Amino acid sequence: AQKVTQAQTEISVVEKEDVTLDCVYETRDTTYYLFWYKQPPSGELVFLIRRNSFDEQNEISGRYSWNFQKSTSSFNFTITASQVVDSAVYFCALSEPGRRALTFGSGTRLQVQP
Amino acid sequence: SQTIHQWPATLVQPVGSPLSLECTVEGTSNPNLYWYRQAAGRGLQLLFYSVGIGQISSEVPQNLSASRPQDRQFILSSKKLLLSDSGFYLCAWSRDREEAFFGQGTRLTVV
Repeated sequence: AQKVTQAQTEISVVEKEDVTLDCVYETRDTTYYLFWYKQPPSGELVFLIRRNSFDEQNEISGRYSWNFQKSTSSFNFTITASQVVDSAVYFCALSEPGRRALTFGSGTRLQVQP
Repeated sequence: SQTIHQWPATLVQPVGSPLSLECTVEGTSNPNLYWYRQAAGRGLQLLFYSVGIGQISSEVPQNLSASRPQDRQFILSSKKLLLSDSGFYLCAWSRDREEAFFGQGTRLTVV
């Protein structure tokens, strides 16, 4: 079973629309971290946010916001007023105590049309 | 500040040829180091990670190997490439349980 599920393979929106990328995770640990990364066409993964399991406060950074809900094991990412430069593949990831490396979801490709 | 360098950026190699991809990190000591592979249109697969010099853990048995000859150097190798080794290879570093920072990647095409 996948530990990090990003059910949306590809999303296409028109510029200025809001878009939410879903992430559902699975872990038995009570202490863990969740992450979001952006992979633009150049290929390099860009770190966006880290959230620990004890902090369920929503976070906002400019047009980006994250909604962490432990009750549903979800860590969703919303882009408000999307722009063409937001076009990329977005990955959600999980860090658990028993593993040194992050476990990534399969990614969601976001296309923002002008 | 910390930086990570990975080279080459692109590589075309014939089947059966050897491979050596190099990754170095600057501005930090004793980092955790990782090699990931991303097949076209797919997610990230962890290949190897290292918590120290000479310490390599393999996640998936395959045609590749990794070495860490120095604290901030991580090398991905193969003696004989297969067509299935084609993909986008990413090196990354992190401190324990913290976010990983990635290099720019190497796009490998085996022909």
